[in-house]
Amino acid sequence: KAGVTQTPRYLIKTRGQQVTLSCSPISGHRSVSWYQQTPGQGLQFLFEYFSETQRNKGNFPGRFSGRQFSNSRSEMNVSTLELGDSALYLCASSLPGGSSYNEQFFGPGTRLTVL
Amino acid sequence: AQSVSQHNHHVILSEAASLELGCNYSYGGTVNLFWYVQYPGQHLQLLLKYFSGDPLVKGIKGFEAEFIKSKFSFNLRKPSVQWSDTAEYFCAVRANAGKSTFGDGTTLTVKP
Repeated sequence: KAGVTQTPRYLIKTRGQQVTLSCSPISGHRSVSWYQQTPGQGLQFLFEYFSETQRNKGNFPGRFSGRQFSNSRSEMNVSTLELGDSALYLCASSLPGGSSYNEQFFGPGTRLTVL
Repeated sequence: AQSVSQHNHHVILSEAASLELGCNYSYGGTVNLFWYVQYPGQHLQLLLKYFSGDPLVKGIKGFEAEFIKSKFSFNLRKPSVQWSDTAEYFCAVRANAGKSTFGDGTTLTVKP
């Protein structure tokens, strides 16, 4: 079974631009969560989608948004990029029930650098 | 709100030494507990998890963890570490589906 895939793997953008990151979950998984990983803040939860609906949201500004498609693939978008948005963005998927005791499988991440 | 505290930021051990990484969490209700590992250049992987039942859980690669409810702790242990255990280790709690709260991570360096 293929794992969680994320594209692109690396991105370089400048301040003020916007960016869209993509995540394809493991086949059959319907819950997709996004995390931001930085050396200073660690792993922080952005949001979670389940069956095309945002089910949970972290404490990030409205510049961070996401969506999920009917095939469970998910995208996240960051508008008006700031230097502090430079991070590794991780996507995780879990089993169809999306229950809190289901293991989350993580992708390799997208490394975003904002100049 | 959930929070997770990992006490050790960087641990350095020699091969065959015993390992214990501390993890304490804060949450008033029922939580599910996880330890993840991130080897250099690799994805986050699940080491072990606790949902209910026996508070001593065993994971992959000889790791185990003990859930002590009264102390809100979920410490990770391994009796004898190997050089290949060099990695970053994250404790996580999950009360809501899809949302995990992670600790800051502990970098383990094992000297051969």
